[in-house]
Amino acid sequence: GDSVTQMEGPVTLSEEAFLTINCTYTATGYPSLFWYVQYPGEGLQLLLKATKADDKGSNKGFEATYRKETTSFHLEKGSVQVSDSAVYFCALRSGSGGGADGLTFGKGTHLIIQP
Amino acid sequence: DGGITQSPKYLFRKEGQNVTLSCEQNLNHDAMYWYRQDPGQGLRLIYYSQIVNDFQKGDIAEGYSVSREKKESFPLTVTSAQKNPTAFYLCASSIGGGPGNTIYFGEGSWLTVV
Repeated sequence: GDSVTQMEGPVTLSEEAFLTINCTYTATGYPSLFWYVQYPGEGLQLLLKATKADDKGSNKGFEATYRKETTSFHLEKGSVQVSDSAVYFCALRSGSGGGADGLTFGKGTHLIIQP
Repeated sequence: DGGITQSPKYLFRKEGQNVTLSCEQNLNHDAMYWYRQDPGQGLRLIYYSQIVNDFQKGDIAEGYSVSREKKESFPLTVTSAQKNPTAFYLCASSIGGGPGNTIYFGEGSWLTVV
């Protein structure tokens, strides 16, 4: 079945540091890949997505490139801010026949940015 | 404003009671979903519905029930058969199935068993 593995936190960085959160996946077919962000006590917000190999998703300074050869979708940001502190989820949606519809999630990475 | 509205935000349930969580969307989306989130865990799919009057079990459907009588509404009932219901529940919707369609989430409901 489909699965997503992401680095587990917490990840603690200083403000303006470079961020990488690793995400790898296994899936049947041709999945789309997503990064969601969750602030304390809230639902999930879509951060960015990519629907095919070599696509780059970007939003609010965050980027991730869909790498089919390494089955990866690592999240990066060049200079993090305190307001980026949150839990980040990598997810895929394969839509493969015979399986449940919906997203398959990683366990989430708690990011803490210190001033 | 367009979006997904969940209510209540906080709910307490006594042992042996059924409770229903509401989810309404005004995005005109065909597909709707319920996920459960436990601390330190990813989200797990409970039920989903791709069209009115039809729904399917997800990975952890035991102890839960749903209905989809209207396109905009997908309530979740947590029954007394659910052994460990304390969790954060998230409703979501999508314009349709298929990998390219984004799934959007509501703000969530906290359920605590007392």
